[in-house]
Order: sequence, then structure tokens, then C-alpha cells
Amino acid sequence: GQQVMQIPQYQHVQEGEDFTTYCNSSTTLSNIQWYKQRPGGHPVFLIQLVKSGEVKKQKRLTFQFGEAKKNSSLHITATQTTDVGTYFCAGKLRSGGTASKLTFGTGTRLQVTL
Amino acid sequence: NAGVTQTPKFRVLKTGQSMTLLCAQDMNHEYMYWYRQDPGMGLRLIHYSVGEGTTAKGEVPDGYNVSRLKKQNFLLGLESAAPSQTSVYFCASSPPHTGALNTEAFFGQGTRLTVV
Repeated sequence: GQQVMQIPQYQHVQEGEDFTTYCNSSTTLSNIQWYKQRPGGHPVFLIQLVKSGEVKKQKRLTFQFGEAKKNSSLHITATQTTDVGTYFCAGKLRSGGTASKLTFGTGTRLQVTL
Repeated sequence: NAGVTQTPKFRVLKTGQSMTLLCAQDMNHEYMYWYRQDPGMGLRLIHYSVGEGTTAKGEVPDGYNVSRLKKQNFLLGLESAAPSQTSVYFCASSPPHTGALNTEAFFGQGTRLTVV
């Protein structure tokens, strides 16, 4: 079954509210990537985290990799309508073979209204 | 820059028909992938390739075949389409990976396939 789960599956916020999506793996990850997919579009790479406990920021977006490298989170501060889309985490499962095999999470769909 | 191009963008098939989805990339990437996207399931890897002439199975390979005869092209075939294969198919490519690191994957625009 799916080895990388994301919660929540869907979230609806008002513009200006914060948003967080969580990514949880059943096995240790060597690294984690985050992608954004706009409605009707294709996934676009946002960032990669490699180190245990690593935190990276991109403007209003904060990405964190868990100490045990089995979970990650994406936090958006003061959401805007341009943040609408589905956010996916993707990682290389440490027990899953080669680095070429990215396993994607189930995704969190974010809806932002004025 | 074209990046990753998928053809066709839309297709309706009858059960039992066959078809080939074409993915072409102009970034000289070694790695290429085929994913399918279904509601609530995220992106699931069907097959992938780490170089010309090589392919490998992903999470959900049954009912699909692939070929990578040229570095820039990765073909996904459905020999006998089934309604369960109704989905949005994404192709992606990436440069070679370094050790434990993955590299950024670049996605095509997707192919929406309906099997009736």
C-alpha cells in the first residue's frame, strides 16, 4: 500500500490564515522533496530537504524534515489565493532501492477563499 | 524551452483497445518516469528508466509496458485498456541522482485518459 501519507487530504482556509500539511512515511527517508500542483496543472518542484531536523524557508513557506527522517511538514503563513493547489511530498525510501525511485505522498489539496 | 512534452493530452479508449503515450524531453536527462494520478491516491509510479535502453517497474506496473529506445523519449503502452486505467498520466524526467540525493523532477502537462 501507500507508504507515504499526507494529512489532511483537503483543507479550506480564508485568505490570511495559516496552513500546514504533514507528510508521514512508514520507513526512514533519505531525503524529502515538496511539489506544488495548481488546479489542472502539473507538479512543480519546490524544495528538497536532506538533513535530520532541517528547516528551510521560501518567503511565506517553511519546510521541515523530522529528526527521525520519517516525517516532514510544509507551513504556509498568511495564505493567499495564489497558494491554491495540491501539495505533494516525495521521498526516497531508505529501504526502497535506488535513489531514482521517488515515492510520492497522497497530497493535500488547499483551497483559499477571500 | 519545451521541457517535457506529452502526447496526446486527452484520449478516450474503449475497453480492450491499445494505445501508446509518448513522452519527450529536451533537457538531456538520464532518468524518466511514468506516474498515474488518481483522486486521493497521489502520484503512483508505474515504470521508470535510468537510461537509454533500460526500464524498471514501479509501484503499479501491471497492465502497462514501456520502452526507452532513445534517451529523449519514454513510451508508455497499454496493450488492452481497462476502465481501471482511467486516470491522468504524468511523465517526468530528472538528471542523474547523487548518492542518497534525488534531483528535481520536471513534469509534463499530463494525459487525461478515459477508458469506457
